[in-house]
Amino acid sequence: KQEVTQIPAALSVPEGENLVLNCSFTDSAIYNLQWFRQDPGKGLTSLLLIQSSQREQTSGRLNASLDKSSGRSTLYIAASQPGDSATYLCAVTPSLTFGSGTQLTVLP
Amino acid sequence: EAQVTQNPRYLITVTGKKLTVTCSQNMNHEYMSWYRQDPGLGLRQIYYSMNVEVTDKGDVPEGYKVSRKEKRNFPLILESPSPNQTSLYFCASSPRTGGITGNTIYFGEGSWLTVV
Repeated sequence: KQEVTQIPAALSVPEGENLVLNCSFTDSAIYNLQWFRQDPGKGLTSLLLIQSSQREQTSGRLNASLDKSSGRSTLYIAASQPGDSATYLCAVTPSLTFGSGTQLTVLP
Repeated sequence: EAQVTQNPRYLITVTGKKLTVTCSQNMNHEYMSWYRQDPGLGLRQIYYSMNVEVTDKGDVPEGYKVSRKEKRNFPLILESPSPNQTSLYFCASSPRTGGITGNTIYFGEGSWLTVV
């Protein structure tokens, strides 16, 4: 059964710092890995999708990498801003299994 | 428009009164899943379906039932709700072949359920 783990559970950084969020999964037979953002009391917003054949995807200040053989993905956020404060979740398909998330706080 | 629709969005009910939360997707997706989200616990998978008439238990299936009689619908049934099932519930769907655009997992807007 697929399990997804995210470390750290919470992270607080000053504005402007670069940071890395980690996601690991136990079964490497995935179709895709997707990163989401969730603001308090809101739904999930898709950030980046990495297909199983890809190594990384970039969108603006966000870069996600995937190492399928080792069961790991990282989300890199460059030059963090207070508006980046949210919970970040990773998920894998086809099982639609989510990690428990990393709660990010960017301090002004 | 591609979407996952959940109903009701908000519900207050009493202990023991059966209820159903509906989930419908219009994208012909094979995979569908239900989650509950509680403070500090992330998204916990309740049940999962790979296709019509195929369902599997997730991490927290106790107290819930699902059915997948049609591809588009995946209702979540609480036969005898209890206060510990008070939570925010999300339904999601995904295509079997994975997405080629920026999104492969589509979510409903969530259903806030309170059991008193």
